[in-house]
Formats: sequence, C-alpha cells, structure tokens
Amino acid sequence: GQNIDQPTEMTATEGAIVQINCTYQTSGFNGLFWYQQHAGEAPTFLSYNVLDGLEEKGRFSSFLSRSKGYSYLLLKELQMKDSASYLCAVYNQGGKLIFGQGTELSVKP
Amino acid sequence: EPEVTQTPSHQVTQMGQEVILRCVPISNHLYFYWYRQILGQKVEFLVSFYNNEISEKSEIFDDQFSVERPDGSNFTLKIRSTKLEDSAMYFCASEKSPDTQYFGPGTRLTVL
Repeated sequence: GQNIDQPTEMTATEGAIVQINCTYQTSGFNGLFWYQQHAGEAPTFLSYNVLDGLEEKGRFSSFLSRSKGYSYLLLKELQMKDSASYLCAVYNQGGKLIFGQGTELSVKP
Repeated sequence: EPEVTQTPSHQVTQMGQEVILRCVPISNHLYFYWYRQILGQKVEFLVSFYNNEISEKSEIFDDQFSVERPDGSNFTLKIRSTKLEDSAMYFCASEKSPDTQYFGPGTRLTVL
C-alpha cells in the first residue's frame, strides 16, 4: 500500500524555526519532494531528496532517511508569508507523485 | 522564467456535460501529468504522459477521462460526462527529465 503521514497542522512564531516531519511507506521510491501550497494556488517546488542526508537551500532544508522512511522539512527565520500548506510527496516509479495530506503551517507574529 | 499555464482558470459545467481542460507545459519538457485536488483533500495523481502515450494512470482515471497532446504545445484533459464528484482543482505538471515536476496554476472545475 501507499501511506504518507505528516501532521495536519502546526503553529510557529515569526523568526523561529519549525520542523515538519513526514513518514512514508510506498511500493516504490525514487525520491521525496517537498512542495509549498498557498490556499487556492498550485503546489510550488521547494526541495528534492533522493539520497540520505540534508539538502540546504537558503532558509529551507530537507532531510531524508530512506532506511527509516522518514523526511523532514526545516524552515528557519520564519516569515508571515511562510504560512501555507507544506506537502510531502514520494516520487514513485512511473514518475507519479504520491502526496501526503499536507501540513497547514500558521506563522504568528 | 518559463512556467506551466492552464486554461480556463475556472470552469462551471452541468452534470453530464463534457469538459476539456487545457495546459501548455514548459516548452522543452517531455513528461506531462494531470493531478486533481478535491477541496480540503490531498493532491491525487491522475495520469502521466510521455512520448505521445499514457505511461501510467490511477484508478480515478476511468473511461470518462482521456488525455491528448494535439500539437507541439498543448496537453489536454477531457472528461466526457462530468459527475458532481469531479468538482475539484485540476493541476497540470511537466518535467524535463524525471526529477522535478512544475505545476500549473490549476483549473477549478465546478460541476452543478
């Protein structure tokens, strides 16, 4: 079966750091993506991990452990505009993305 | 920066009618996808398309659905006889090689 779990919602303070976790069990694995989605808009690409370890890109970092079926997205120096849904997606064989439910992040002043 | 475009942004139709959703992928991309997102739910894969044929489709993509790349730029999703439960946001995505999919802004389909 295909199962991707992430917390439904999180709240954090402007300027802080937040970590959004994702665990997955899928029949195939060719990498893991994180997307950001504002309400009513399309998902926008944040990061892609195919090998174990940490990928850093500005204020955003993503970590992958394939043996544990686990990833996290780390957002530093939070800004109000970071309030959005963050989608964890496994890249399966055939190229399709299997999405989790998304984590709704609210950044408070 | 090149981007995926979709038209229309919002489509309202009566149950049983046919709709065609249009997408223009990024010009040098070779792999194309349709996803949908019912309001408040997760993004779901519908179909992937490469080299002028379907690579994979989900169980959602039944005989009511079809895709086409009628020319060198457009990629369309047709729903032959819409149902109420087809109401959703439909996203087109494209990628140059199997690594990063870029999503279009979506078409909101409302079936009455």
